[in-house]
Amino acid sequence: QQQVKQSPQSLIVQKGGIPIINCAYENTAFDYFPWYQQFPGKGPALLIAIRPDVSEKKEGRFTISFNKSAKQFSLHIMDSQPGDSATYFCAASYSGTYKYIFGTGTRLKVLA
Amino acid sequence: ETGVTQSPTHLIKTRGQQVTLRCSSQSGHNTVSWYQQALGQGPQFIFQYYREEENGRGNFPPRFSGLQFPNYSSELNVNALELDDSALYLCASSSRPTDEKLFFGSGTQLSVL
Repeated sequence: QQQVKQSPQSLIVQKGGIPIINCAYENTAFDYFPWYQQFPGKGPALLIAIRPDVSEKKEGRFTISFNKSAKQFSLHIMDSQPGDSATYFCAASYSGTYKYIFGTGTRLKVLA
Repeated sequence: ETGVTQSPTHLIKTRGQQVTLRCSSQSGHNTVSWYQQALGQGPQFIFQYYREEENGRGNFPPRFSGLQFPNYSSELNVNALELDDSALYLCASSSRPTDEKLFFGSGTQLSVL
């Protein structure tokens, strides 16, 4: 119940494509869902986050879609660029706890 | 505004030794969390410190311990190192109760031989 399942494990897209990364959770008590980007040798950096009362959120080229009934959420990267090549992690937490449970990560490669 | 800084960046120890990792939280942040990230995996929550007290712990044995200081900086101590402790150790700070976001440092890469 504490797991966050992330897929796919890896993804390759052409420049300008729209990679989509999916996450699923079991525990309906989770109410904060952030996405992080991590480059080799660096710590994760927050991209965008959403709460269950919203079905979609956009920040720049990054969009989160949230399906509360299916307990799933996904990250879409519009007009992807080679600089977006990184590992992406979804996470979930109980509001106010500041403790995140992370997915296993998706390694994205954007070809020039 | 300074970000989260961790030291050292890399460390090599042998099995059975003890190690201390250090973290300075982002300016204005009062909560520090520690995560362990094994190669190819997502970060796993170790514990969190708020107001100099442990405020929640993940599934890690007692040989993982920590401290938070009055300036909100923090230490992670690991005793009796095991080979499986080899990982990237990440510190994250946040501003309780005003902001849910975690801001991570670049981590300390620990290798246990």
